[in-house]
Amino acid sequence: GAVVSQHPSRVICKSGTSVKIECRSLDFQATTMFWYRQFPKQSLMLMATSNEGSKATYEQGVEKDKFLINHASLTLSTLTVTSAHPEDSSFYICSARQGERSPLHFGNGTRLTVT
Amino acid sequence: DAKTTQPPSMDCAEGRAANLPCNHSTISGNEYVYWYRQIHSQGPQYIIHGLKNNETNEMASLIITEDRKSSTLILPHATLRDTAVYYCIVRVRAGGTSYGKLTFGQGTILTVHP
Repeated sequence: GAVVSQHPSRVICKSGTSVKIECRSLDFQATTMFWYRQFPKQSLMLMATSNEGSKATYEQGVEKDKFLINHASLTLSTLTVTSAHPEDSSFYICSARQGERSPLHFGNGTRLTVT
Repeated sequence: DAKTTQPPSMDCAEGRAANLPCNHSTISGNEYVYWYRQIHSQGPQYIIHGLKNNETNEMASLIITEDRKSSTLILPHATLRDTAVYYCIVRVRAGGTSYGKLTFGQGTILTVHP
């Protein structure tokens, strides 16, 4: 089945620094990937839609200059949390679909802790 | 997207069938029912989806009522590793720029006990 891989699985950074999270579709090409965020004891919230070769589409309330998304190839999307603050600490999860009629498959998430 | 309603939590004994209900009374004719689960500290895992017919795969069975206003996910022989949050999501399967934007509710916390 379709496999989506995220890296790193866990990262700790200092306040004010930037962190890059990678999302790869391992055995299929994905023109569209989605980035979600999940705070403790809450459900997943969609942050943005990443489109290969074009700008990402952000959900209302998500700062595009803070959460930079780059979808440079059909198998890789990156999310960079710029100037991270403790309130950005969260579980970030990406997802992708193999084709128009395929279900979404999710990566295993990245636990970000900002100290 | 149609809203779904799930019980916040359920228990099940290991080896028994787990039946997880979901209400989606405002579902539209072109909307599918998707089920995902999330084991602690992992990304959601796709389980199954269907439109109006019952579906079965190696993980589970999905029973959709004739009026499509509710469905039940069945794990035939639950194991301890099935303990997770189960999400029922209703979504158009394909088409449009918003395709793929799954909206997650609070789901059902299924606890399988020995």
